[in-house]
Amino acid sequence: DTGVSQDPRHKITKRGQNVTFRCDPISEHNRLYWYRQTLGQGPEFLTYFQNEAQLEKSRLLSDRFSAERPKGSFSTLEIQRTEQGDSAMYLCATGGLAHKNYNEQFFGPGTRLTVL
Amino acid sequence: DQQVKQNSPSLSVQEGRISILNCDYTNSMFDYFLWYKKYPAEGPTFLISISSIKDKNEDGRFTVFLNKSAKHLSLHIVPSQPGDSAVYFCAASDYSGGSNYKLTFGKGTLLTVNP
Repeated sequence: DTGVSQDPRHKITKRGQNVTFRCDPISEHNRLYWYRQTLGQGPEFLTYFQNEAQLEKSRLLSDRFSAERPKGSFSTLEIQRTEQGDSAMYLCATGGLAHKNYNEQFFGPGTRLTVL
Repeated sequence: DQQVKQNSPSLSVQEGRISILNCDYTNSMFDYFLWYKKYPAEGPTFLISISSIKDKNEDGRFTVFLNKSAKHLSLHIVPSQPGDSAVYFCAASDYSGGSNYKLTFGKGTLLTVNP
């Protein structure tokens, strides 16, 4: 399977704990995005990487959130001191220069986080 | 401030008929529009897109129409099939402002196609 993969698919944690999610992009894609989706809403942009550089962060991304993309390959999203309001689906999407349509993004299956 | 609006939370149609999903936007800087389909417990899947320099794009059973003056786009599915039942998201991007192609999504419309 050469699509975007995310791990874990589900995470249940207690308030105050730290969690980390991983995204493995389509190998030739240099652009990587994180989005968050809550119930009844569309995905909302969190942050963007071009290769290993984090080029944009949303105001939604509080200082408890940090994202990395070492070596421009996989990416991790960490949430420290989780709160119940962090419960959501976290989606990773990638896109590439070589793709026929630069605007298209390909999404992974998401990580569903539940904070108790 | 909702920049992309899908005002119909749900739509129900009969198999074989046309499904029309609507989307409005407020940001005149958006220059590319996409439709994604989402099944429960899966990520969104790209369906069809349209550039702001066009007013129509067709791909098989799916056609997207763009009316820039009205800031409105629609997705037509003909004929509708039960397997089309899913949540459909309208999304927009703006590169001119250096936004890195990030997508702004609507809230989605749940389409149900009845056999």
